[in-house]
Amino acid sequence: ETGVTQTPRHLVMGMTNKKSLKCEQHLGHNAMYWYKQSAKKPLELMFVYNFKEQTENNSVPSRFSPECPNSSHLFLHLHTLQPEDSALYLCASSPPGRGAGELFFGEGSRLTVL
Amino acid sequence: GEDVEQSLFLSVREGDSSVINCTYTDSSSTYLYWYKQEPGAGLQLLTYIFSNMDMKQDQRLTVLLNKKDKHLSLRIADTQTGDSAIYFCAESNGNDMRFGAGTRLTVKP
Repeated sequence: ETGVTQTPRHLVMGMTNKKSLKCEQHLGHNAMYWYKQSAKKPLELMFVYNFKEQTENNSVPSRFSPECPNSSHLFLHLHTLQPEDSALYLCASSPPGRGAGELFFGEGSRLTVL
Repeated sequence: GEDVEQSLFLSVREGDSSVINCTYTDSSSTYLYWYKQEPGAGLQLLTYIFSNMDMKQDQRLTVLLNKKDKHLSLRIADTQTGDSAIYFCAESNGNDMRFGAGTRLTVKP
């Protein structure tokens, strides 16, 4: 148990559906992240939020829309996805201060796009 | 862009040592990390090393860093079946953290 909770754990959706992934952390961290994990590819950073403000968007297609209403919650809204978007989506958080920069990951949401 | 590369698969016998290798390109890396991902779980930090160190030992784990060659390795002594997982190498320059694709370690009884 890392203190970062993701729901749902599994999601199957059609290309015309709209769904959302949710991430919640109660660690007092100020930064939250969305990563995409695909087989045989480096873990891909999608979005970074610091104190609820988006500080990074790594050229992610607009069919992925993040939302960070407060420092403890992060959403990833999905619409008109493609089959190649099927992957494990990982949420992470990190504590304030530079330190060693450890990331705390959730267990991921396994997304399948049909 | 900067890259982190590691081999995708490693298979060892129980009781043997495992060595997982990683190379990176960012010369301004400050910290280098090894994360472990067990089946059905997210990544968990296993260990990390500061860039001015060349070795760190923690029980069965030994991390070696060759900063000149930008090469990082993780050695697991007396590998157990519970060590079967995906091991991710990562590096950070204080601003960005970059991950490799992960090495899937399979431990055979």
